[in-house]
Amino acid sequence: NAGVTQTPKFQVLKTGQSMTLQCAQDMNHNSMYWYRQDPGMGLRLIYYSASEGTTDKGEVPNGYNVSRLNKREFSLRLESAAPSQTSVYFCASSGGLETQYFGPGTRLLVL
Amino acid sequence: SQQGEEDPQALSIQEGENATMNCSYKTSINNLQWYRQNSGRGLVHLILIRSNEREKHSGRLRVTLDTSKKSSSLLITASRAADTASYFCATDGYGGSQGNLIFGKGTKLSVKP
Repeated sequence: NAGVTQTPKFQVLKTGQSMTLQCAQDMNHNSMYWYRQDPGMGLRLIYYSASEGTTDKGEVPNGYNVSRLNKREFSLRLESAAPSQTSVYFCASSGGLETQYFGPGTRLLVL
Repeated sequence: SQQGEEDPQALSIQEGENATMNCSYKTSINNLQWYRQNSGRGLVHLILIRSNEREKHSGRLRVTLDTSKKSSSLLITASRAADTASYFCATDGYGGSQGNLIFGKGTKLSVKP
């Protein structure tokens, strides 16, 4: 099992460009999450999906959109990237209400 | 907003020593978890303690929970250089629904050989 995979691993964007971060899990988990991690800030929840077909906002959703394509995949889209979105993005999944399993992260630099 | 706050922010010890990290949180919880993050990697779950538990062990890890003080501690005994990482506590947020977690800012542990 690969667990949680994320692509790309690293991306550089110019201000105003768009991109989609991909996440997939092979653990048959219902819930999936997107976080961003900034220095000294810990992880902050952007969006989550409790089950296929549902998505909800987290703590910092502005500037992002998500799609729960199917049970395995949960993508995060930046429509018009801003320097403030420079961060490391983590996807996670969970089979219930407790332990989350994290992907390796995507490092995004917005110039 | 951060629910858990770890203390200290950074900790440097020698191999073989014990490392203690603390976490304080603000609201009632169902459980508290500790995660570890090696540099440049994703988080890995270490241990979960439920609100009705006071202490839990897993290998060299010992976690305590004091719900009256809204605090938890993580003790790593006989530390190794490989324990060098950042450690985060996480509590269930948003009323505990949907499995959402709120993470603290982390304690950066450095274990010197």
